[in-house]
Amino acid sequence: DTAVSQTPKYLVTQMGNDKSIKCEQNLGHDTMYWYKQDSKKFLKIMFSYNNKELIINETVPNRFSPKSPDKAHLNLHINSLELGDSAVYFCASSQREYEQYFGPGTRLTVT
Amino acid sequence: DAKTTQPNSMESNEEEPVHLPCNHSTISGTDYIHWYRQLPSQGPEYVIHGLTSNVNNRMASLAIAEDRKSSTLILHRATLRDAAVYYCIRPGSGNTGKLIFGQGTTLQVKP
Repeated sequence: DTAVSQTPKYLVTQMGNDKSIKCEQNLGHDTMYWYKQDSKKFLKIMFSYNNKELIINETVPNRFSPKSPDKAHLNLHINSLELGDSAVYFCASSQREYEQYFGPGTRLTVT
Repeated sequence: DAKTTQPNSMESNEEEPVHLPCNHSTISGTDYIHWYRQLPSQGPEYVIHGLTSNVNNRMASLAIAEDRKSSTLILHRATLRDAAVYYCIRPGSGNTGKLIFGQGTTLQVKP
């Protein structure tokens, strides 16, 4: 009964490749988020969607493109991967903005 | 977006209370204070939030100073499972659900 799930859990790929991370929530929440946690454990929001509408779009390279096919899913596609994209990516969802439920994370390693 | 200030690390003994401080001297009158924690190798987890008065839930208590420039998260009886990074968070501007994570306090619990 995972509330927020992400696939894959681990992703190892080479520079220049394109990859996607999928996120699904079964909580019925209207808002979903993507966060990036770098090697120093600093956690920063990247995007949020509310009912499939983009709400937050932080200063993120346009190689990163979120896609929300419905309000239960928010996928993250990354083009032309770079070494600096290596990080743990967390998806989250919320109904009330202060209480966000996070997924288990996807550890992306770019070699 | 003004930041919060927390000690880098704290230690506690198992089954003793833990008081985790946070300074947020530039907080506005309508901003809630949120606390999240991140257990090792997991996504962040909502703990508690408050505006002016003290708050209690099954996980913790939140004591907010009268001038709202600081707050303290209280774990009444620390267990080994409470070892985590605890984040005191102010929301970003606008009701967008944007949470701004700082470095947090790494709590070690000794048996």
